[in-house]
Amino acid sequence: DTGVSQDPRHKITKRGQNVTFRCDPISEHNRLYWYRQTLGQGPEFLTYFQNEAQLEKSRLLSDRFSAERPKGSFSTLEIQRTEQGDSAMYLCASSLRTGGPRSYNEQFFGPGTRLTVL
Amino acid sequence: GENVEQHPSTLSVQEGDSAVIKCTYSDSASNYFPWYKQELGKRPQLIIDIRSNVGEKKDQRIAVTLNKTAKHFSLHITETQPEDSAVYFCAASPGSNDYKLSFGAGTTVTVRA
Repeated sequence: DTGVSQDPRHKITKRGQNVTFRCDPISEHNRLYWYRQTLGQGPEFLTYFQNEAQLEKSRLLSDRFSAERPKGSFSTLEIQRTEQGDSAMYLCASSLRTGGPRSYNEQFFGPGTRLTVL
Repeated sequence: GENVEQHPSTLSVQEGDSAVIKCTYSDSASNYFPWYKQELGKRPQLIIDIRSNVGEKKDQRIAVTLNKTAKHFSLHITETQPEDSAVYFCAASPGSNDYKLSFGAGTTVTVRA
């Protein structure tokens, strides 16, 4: 499978624990995004990388959340001291930026990591 | 920031009929409007997109229209088939950031055989 992959697919944790998710984008893609999706809602933007640089973080991303993309390839999203409100599907997407600043390129989504905080 | 509203939240159609989903957006500078289809338990997948320099785009049974003046865009599915049953999301990309997508809440489409 050459698409975006995410690991784990499911994570159940107790409130207060730390969790880390991994995303492997399509290999030649230089952009990587994290979204969060709750039941009955569309994905909400969390953060974005251009290569290894994190260029924007949503206000949804509290200080307990941190994301990295150390070598411009895979990315990790860590949630510290999880809360029940963190329960959601965490989606990763990647795209290949081409052309000028106004060139929009399809974002390919991974299967997501479903987090349940008890 | 950008606010995207999507209607209806659920849509049931008879096989062979057409389905229309409408979205409005708030940021007049938005320039890119993709539509994603998400089947139960699967990842969102792009089905069609439109840029602000065109008013309509068609791909087989799927078409999207854009009215920049009114800040709304619509998805049209003709000759619906059971495999069209899914959740459909519209999205908009704010003009100042050409990468971040703001999604609508989704429309659950059920095609009755």
